[in-house]
Amino acid sequence: AQKITQTQPGMFVQEKEAVTLDCTYDTSDPSYGLFWYKQPSSGEMIFLIYQGSYDQQNATEGRYSLNFQKARKSANLVISASQLGDSAMYFCAMRDFAGNMLTFGGGTRLMVKP
Amino acid sequence: NAGVTQTPKFQVLKTGQSMTLQCAQDMNHEYMSWYRQDPGMGLRLIHYSVGAGITDQGEVPNGYNVSRSTTEDFPLRLLSAAPSQTSVYFCASSPLGLAGTEQYFGPGTRLTVT
Repeated sequence: AQKITQTQPGMFVQEKEAVTLDCTYDTSDPSYGLFWYKQPSSGEMIFLIYQGSYDQQNATEGRYSLNFQKARKSANLVISASQLGDSAMYFCAMRDFAGNMLTFGGGTRLMVKP
Repeated sequence: NAGVTQTPKFQVLKTGQSMTLQCAQDMNHEYMSWYRQDPGMGLRLIHYSVGAGITDQGEVPNGYNVSRSTTEDFPLRLLSAAPSQTSVYFCASSPLGLAGTEQYFGPGTRLTVT
């Protein structure tokens, strides 16, 4: 069975600063995919970034980067230069080898202070 | 493209009533899935389908039925609603693939069972 753990229920960050959201995972699959989604107060799920388990380099998408440490089973999201619009819930998720199961963590609520 | 659409947006049911949540996608995706999100929690997989006529259970399937007669549609049926099924329901779709395939989410249906 897969498991995703996000240990930070809530975090504050000052506008324009960088912030790291933690995610650890557990799986016995040889290959898997790691995703981060953003859920603003309006409720929709917005895809941010993806990391494959065999990717050699950490994924980056604009201000988002994924700090992937396979041996430690962690996939932390780094947001650089935080903006007020980054205030939202953030979910780490893992898709299994066959691509059938997407397992979510409990989420981290990020609040950006002006 | 409309992407993934869900109807209704909001629904209130009495205990014991039945209803169907509708989900449709226009991206010709083989894979479709249903999740529920309880307050303050991540999404949990209810059922998924890898193509017309093929469905399988996810993490929390009890109390829900699904069928897939076309590629585009994947309705979720609540046979006898219970207060424990009060939640936000998300439908998602993706191309059929392995772990690296991003899922596209619908806007969600907020269901309250009294």
